[in-house]
Amino acid sequence: AQTVTQSQPEMSVQEAETVTLSCTYDTSESDYYLFWYKQPPSRQMILVIRQEAYKQQNATENRFSVNFQKAAKSFSLKISDSQLGDAAMYFCAYRSSGAGSYQLTFGKGTKLSVIP
Amino acid sequence: NAGVMQNPRHLVRRRGQEARLRCSPMKGHSHVYWYRQLPEEGLKFMVYLQKENIIDESGMPKERFSAEFPKEGPSILRIQQVVRGDSAAYFCASSLTGRHTEAFFGQGTRLTVV
Repeated sequence: AQTVTQSQPEMSVQEAETVTLSCTYDTSESDYYLFWYKQPPSRQMILVIRQEAYKQQNATENRFSVNFQKAAKSFSLKISDSQLGDAAMYFCAYRSSGAGSYQLTFGKGTKLSVIP
Repeated sequence: NAGVMQNPRHLVRRRGQEARLRCSPMKGHSHVYWYRQLPEEGLKFMVYLQKENIIDESGMPKERFSAEFPKEGPSILRIQQVVRGDSAAYFCASSLTGRHTEAFFGQGTRLTVV
């Protein structure tokens, strides 16, 4: 079974600075998807960024980028120019790409605080 | 285009009562997934349904929990004889196909059992 580990329960960053959230995962599969979700106090789960394992290029979405290290099974999220609205819980998630695969496996989350 | 709609947002039930949680998927989506989030935890998969069919309920507790997604109307997650340990946030997600690259989540229903 796949597992996702987020080793930082809480992080803080100064507004306008850069922060990196860590995520590692365990799988025996070669093809899969990795996701970062943001959960603000409203509880809405918002997809931040997605990475397909067969793509070597790291995904980027505006101020959000990932460092995907397939061999190390590491998938960290970098937030540049942090804004107050970035304060939220961030969840790393894994999904297999095999036939019949649809379950997302989530880590326990990292609570990010942004200091004005 | 409305997103995934869950209601109610908050639900309080006394021990032994029944809880019914509703989820209307995004327009055109026929695949629905239910997840549960316990305090200080990530989301855990419960069940995957297509219209009128349960595809995978491997994450559902064996007793008291059931789910349906009828031909017409929302998907329903039903918890009978609730206990304090059922207190959690329950999230519904929907996707266009089963082999999705993105599932869209609702805002969740926070169930409190008193």
